[in-house]
Amino acid sequence: GDSVTQMEGPVTLSEEAFLTINCTYTATGYPSLFWYVQYPGEGLQLLLKATKADDKGSNKGFEATYRKETTSFHLEKGSVQVSDSAVYFCALDRDDKIIFGKGTRLHILP
Amino acid sequence: GAGVSQSPSNKVTEKGKDVELRCDPISGHTALYWYRQSLGQGLEFLIYFQGNSAPDKSGLPSDRFSAERTGGSVSTLTIQRTQQEDSAVYLCASSSEGLAGAYEQYFGPGTRLTVT
Repeated sequence: GDSVTQMEGPVTLSEEAFLTINCTYTATGYPSLFWYVQYPGEGLQLLLKATKADDKGSNKGFEATYRKETTSFHLEKGSVQVSDSAVYFCALDRDDKIIFGKGTRLHILP
Repeated sequence: GAGVSQSPSNKVTEKGKDVELRCDPISGHTALYWYRQSLGQGLEFLIYFQGNSAPDKSGLPSDRFSAERTGGSVSTLTIQRTQQEDSAVYLCASSSEGLAGAYEQYFGPGTRLTVT
């Protein structure tokens, strides 16, 4: 069945470092792809999405490009901040439900 | 406007008891989803409602789990004869339509269930 695999955390970086969180997927057809974020003490919220191959989703300085050839949707940010500390989930949609990866916890040190 | 709300925020119950979890979606949202977030399992889809009907119950882990939605609004997730492996955070989400990719799902804060 469809699935999402993302790098295990925790990932610890210093402020202003470059961030990459890897995500690959297995799916039939061409699902939409998402990154969700869960900040400490808050609910899950959509960070960005891409609905077709080669689309780039972006929000709050984060970017991810839908790569059909490598079945990937890696999350990147050029300069992270302490406020980016959170758990990040890569996901795809299949038949009205969202299939999530297991999440990557990100710690940013000041 | 109000977001998705869930109650209770925390629930501790003894093994074997039944529990009911409640979700109030965003007003006007026709689609409602239940997920479970547990350590080591990530986020698992449980069930999806379009209006009051549930076209996809494939994620319910056992027949001890059931859910209903009335009036196209509030939903309850019921777990009968709870087991320790049911301990998790149960998340509810709603969207203005189905087809997850087309319409953003808005998540509630979750109910943390602990079965002792």
